[in-house]
Amino acid sequence: SQTIHQWPATLVQPVGSPLSLECTVEGTSNPNLYWYRQAAGRGLQLLFYSVGIGQISSEVPQNLSASRPQDRQFILSSKKLLLSDSGFYLCAWAGSNQETQYFGPGTRLLVL
Amino acid sequence: GNSVTQMEGPVTLSEEAFLTINCTYTATGYPSLFWYVQYPGEGLQLLLKATKADDKGSNKGFEATYRKETTSFHLEKGSVQVSDSAVYFCALSDRRLTGGGNKLTFGTGTQLKVEL
Repeated sequence: SQTIHQWPATLVQPVGSPLSLECTVEGTSNPNLYWYRQAAGRGLQLLFYSVGIGQISSEVPQNLSASRPQDRQFILSSKKLLLSDSGFYLCAWAGSNQETQYFGPGTRLLVL
Repeated sequence: GNSVTQMEGPVTLSEEAFLTINCTYTATGYPSLFWYVQYPGEGLQLLLKATKADDKGSNKGFEATYRKETTSFHLEKGSVQVSDSAVYFCALSDRRLTGGGNKLTFGTGTQLKVEL
């Protein structure tokens, strides 16, 4: 069966520091991968998605970037964090040409 | 553009009460509809889905029927338990993203609290 992992689970970072969040998927190949952010009391906002290695598309302009160095690895990064980057970051995967997305456990980021 | 509207929360119910969480949507075309559940401190779990009009999705006692005429996908459960306390998200999948993949548009979520 497929599983999706995210780490770290929780992160507290100072403003201006770099960021790297990792997401890996097991049990499937060539998945579509997604990064979402959930701000407190709000819905989910799609940040990036990827349909293959090295292919990244951004949905909203922002301080963050994403990379997909391997088929089942998706990384969310920032060179300098802002206070507004605080939130709950969720990674999701879907099979190729499949609509249903399956979410990881999330990373809670607090920027101080 | 596509949008999903959910009823404001929190919804507080006694155990064994009947649950309805309203969800309506606006979309071009014929989207697939989903309910996801988020337990405290966790990611989202798929609860149920429906892919075409009049389909009924069901799982763990929860049900929702895809109503095209009213553009709705209300979540119901006949008898809630304390363990159902969570945030419930309605979502639709319609737009194909450039290069492949589908975009999910989420509602803002409805918090459910079930008390003994």
